[in-house]
Amino acid sequence: GESVGLHLPTLSVQEGDNSIINCAYSNSASDYFIWYKQESGKGPQFIIDIRSNMDKRQGQRVTVLLNKTVKHLSLQIAATQPGDSAVYFCAENISQAGTALIFGKGTTLSVSS
Amino acid sequence: DVKVTQSSRYLVKRTGEKVFLECVQDMDHENMFWYRQDPGLGLRLIYFSYDVKMKEKGDIPEGYSVSREKKERFSLILESASTNQTSMYLCASSSQFSGRVFNEQFFGPGTRLTVL
Repeated sequence: GESVGLHLPTLSVQEGDNSIINCAYSNSASDYFIWYKQESGKGPQFIIDIRSNMDKRQGQRVTVLLNKTVKHLSLQIAATQPGDSAVYFCAENISQAGTALIFGKGTTLSVSS
Repeated sequence: DVKVTQSSRYLVKRTGEKVFLECVQDMDHENMFWYRQDPGLGLRLIYFSYDVKMKEKGDIPEGYSVSREKKERFSLILESASTNQTSMYLCASSSQFSGRVFNEQFFGPGTRLTVL
């Protein structure tokens, strides 16, 4: 079974809006989380990561929030642009188990002008 | 710049053929991975490798094998291709952190394999 999932398979926003993409995980032992962006015809690209000793991390126009109490992860994209249109995956790692990343199914973000 | 390359972007094979998918990374990473990606199923891990000549099964290893003879190269082998192996195959690599698979993975562009 899958331990990482996303709440919505698709999200449509207008250019300039802020986007929030959500992800739930089930294993409280997970201690590392990543968001990836995958554009059509390309492999996933790293956006931002966060370790379990943090609850917020900011990058350029992106913020990841981690709520360990409810096992929830979110990616916020400020001033969404058409170039942000892609599939977004969250992934978790349980380092104590020495396993590879576990990926969610992905959310497709569509940005209209 | 970090780079993961895959031998083919598109590949068409016939049922029963032996198929080799090659992946090369130039970052001296210890860990390498093979995933398949299917609509509605996300990325599923087939095999991964922590080091040369080492391999570990992922979630869906059946029908596949791998080879890691050199650190920079990780090959995925379909011993006898079947139509249900039609998919996008993604290779990734990462560096080892404190001996664990801890860091971000860098992905190649993918190989879209069609088995007829």
